[in-house]
Amino acid sequence: KAGVTQTPRYLIKTRGQQVTLSCSPISGHRSVSWYQQTPGQGLQFLFEYFSETQRNKGNFPGRFSGRQFSNSRSEMNVSTLELGDSALYLCASSLGTFSNEQFFGPGTRLTVL
Amino acid sequence: EDQVTQSPEALRLQEGESSSLNCSYTVSGLRGLFWYRQDPGKGPEFLFTLYSAGEEKEKERLKATLTKKESFLHITAPKPEDSATYLCAVRREGNKLVFGAGTILRVKS
Repeated sequence: KAGVTQTPRYLIKTRGQQVTLSCSPISGHRSVSWYQQTPGQGLQFLFEYFSETQRNKGNFPGRFSGRQFSNSRSEMNVSTLELGDSALYLCASSLGTFSNEQFFGPGTRLTVL
Repeated sequence: EDQVTQSPEALRLQEGESSSLNCSYTVSGLRGLFWYRQDPGKGPEFLFTLYSAGEEKEKERLKATLTKKESFLHITAPKPEDSATYLCAVRREGNKLVFGAGTILRVKS
């Protein structure tokens, strides 16, 4: 069974640009959550999507947005990039909301110059 | 506000030297406590979910326990391949997890 895949794995952008990250969940999983991981703040929840609807949202500015498609694949968009957005962005998939297990992908390493 | 505190920040063990990692939490309405392992450059790998005080789960050399205020991850006779960052997280609603800062474990042969 294939795991969670994230593309691209590495990305370099400059301040002010926007970026779109993609996540393909494990087959059959309908919930996708996004997290930001930095050395200073650790892992922080961005948002969760289930059946194409945002179910939960973390404390991030509106520059961070996401969506989910009918095949459960999800994208995350960050507009007007800032230096502080440099981080590892992780996607986690699970069967549904309140699932026992969330499985993480390898992440997308975003560097903002 | 939900808080998860892990200790120690870093732990160095000799191969075979058993120890425990601590995760203390404050959350109203706990709906699960999760343990993950993360290797450098990789995403977290799921280990355990615990739901109620007194619950225990085991996997190979790892055993997780839960009380009303904290969880322990016991590592019995660790091997160098157990070296990783161990993360603890709590869930209040949906699939939103609040993570601790992690414990970096190094096991020397």
